[in-house]
Amino acid sequence: GAGVSQSPSNKVTEKGKDVELRCDPISGHTALYWYRQSLGQGLEFLIYFQGNSAPDKSGLPSDRFSAERTGGSVSTLTIQRTQQEDSAVYLCASSSRGQLDTQYFGPGTRLTVL
Amino acid sequence: KQEVTQIPAALSVPEGENLVLNCSFTDSAIYNLQWFRQDPGKGLTSLLLIQSSQREQTSGRLNASLDKSSGRSTLYIAASQPGDSATYLCAVRNTGGFKTIFGAGTRLFVKA
Repeated sequence: GAGVSQSPSNKVTEKGKDVELRCDPISGHTALYWYRQSLGQGLEFLIYFQGNSAPDKSGLPSDRFSAERTGGSVSTLTIQRTQQEDSAVYLCASSSRGQLDTQYFGPGTRLTVL
Repeated sequence: KQEVTQIPAALSVPEGENLVLNCSFTDSAIYNLQWFRQDPGKGLTSLLLIQSSQREQTSGRLNASLDKSSGRSTLYIAASQPGDSATYLCAVRNTGGFKTIFGAGTRLFVKA
């Protein structure tokens, strides 16, 4: 079946602009994660969605970052008033309790803020 | 606060060698531990997931062990091949939450 997909694959924006990144999880997966991978650094957890429960937003670095998940499927990560330090690869993963929470990752969106 | 450390940061071995990658974590109250590989410019591929109640998992030439009490996991790769060249990441999910903490990874190069 289809894996996790993310769009766009690359995004170049100017400082101060808003961006939206999209994640389509594997069909039937109830859990969805967003991570950020900055150059030379490890993966940083951002936010977690599980079914209809309130999301775990503990990893969001500032109030410029927000995410939503509509209908328990597609998720959008929004970064407002982008800064150069937001440049990174943004990765999305989904998982299913039936597969013991193994996380399956998408290819990522490479965001460059000029 | 959970911290995950991976040693070594980089490793270069000749083809055919058996090797061990190490992962340590500071908080033993984990829900599971997962090993991934990441190829340059690509996303992560799950290799093995070990639940907190398990001691090891095996898949093909890969074997991952977990010792919660000492806060350690190892990934053993048998008979390494050039195609194994990638960055290997260890990730820990704590109990009582969903946050997953990643190590910085071990960059492996297997020479033909």
